[in-house]
Amino acid sequence: EVQLVESGGGLVQPGGSLRLSCSASGFTFSNYAIHWVRQAPGKGLEYVSAISSNGGSTYYADSVKGRFTISRDNSKNTLYLQMSSLRPEDTAVYYCVKDSSSWYYFDYWGQGILVTVSS
Amino acid sequence: EIVMTQSPATLSVSPGERATLSCRASQSVSSHLAWYQQKPGQAPRLLMYGASTRATSTPARFFGSGSGTEFTLTISSLQPEDFAVYYCQHYHNWPPYTFGQGTKLEIK
Repeated sequence: EVQLVESGGGLVQPGGSLRLSCSASGFTFSNYAIHWVRQAPGKGLEYVSAISSNGGSTYYADSVKGRFTISRDNSKNTLYLQMSSLRPEDTAVYYCVKDSSSWYYFDYWGQGILVTVSS
Repeated sequence: EIVMTQSPATLSVSPGERATLSCRASQSVSSHLAWYQQKPGQAPRLLMYGASTRATSTPARFFGSGSGTEFTLTISSLQPEDFAVYYCQHYHNWPPYTFGQGTKLEIK
């Protein structure tokens, strides 16, 4: 069974940093691109970041470029999102999402982790 | 960046009736279009990909169609568990794989 479990969320002050982790199981992690998608309270889905299966290619939305860094450790089946210079508008549930192949549709979503940026 | 636009924002339909949801892309995405369903407090789940291919657990009452820039998700004979928010998303070429703003399907 495919599982994606996010951790590392919580309350952080504006300007602060946080690192999200996504622990994967039930599939060969190193074969798939992985994405981060976020959802602000009561809002729709926003595509945030992505990383290729070997970590060699990454993508960032303009809203987070220069502040967020995506990475992965295929030996630990874990995805990371390092978030810095956080703003109140970064407040959202962050989902770790498995690609069905490489740069294709999303077939499995984690349960999400809440990040709240507030003083 | 490809902009995805869904309509209507909210759709009120009675159980047992048919619902038709629309999604438009600002430029052609071929058939690289997926639909996701999200219920309150839950993560989205894949419903449809390739514009018209049902995901493994998607019931046959869900039907996807379209290509290029115009897409439709039709749900025939709505069941109580179908009332949710539906998002379309393209996965054409390179990211960002943008989402539509969602259509909330509510009970009439």
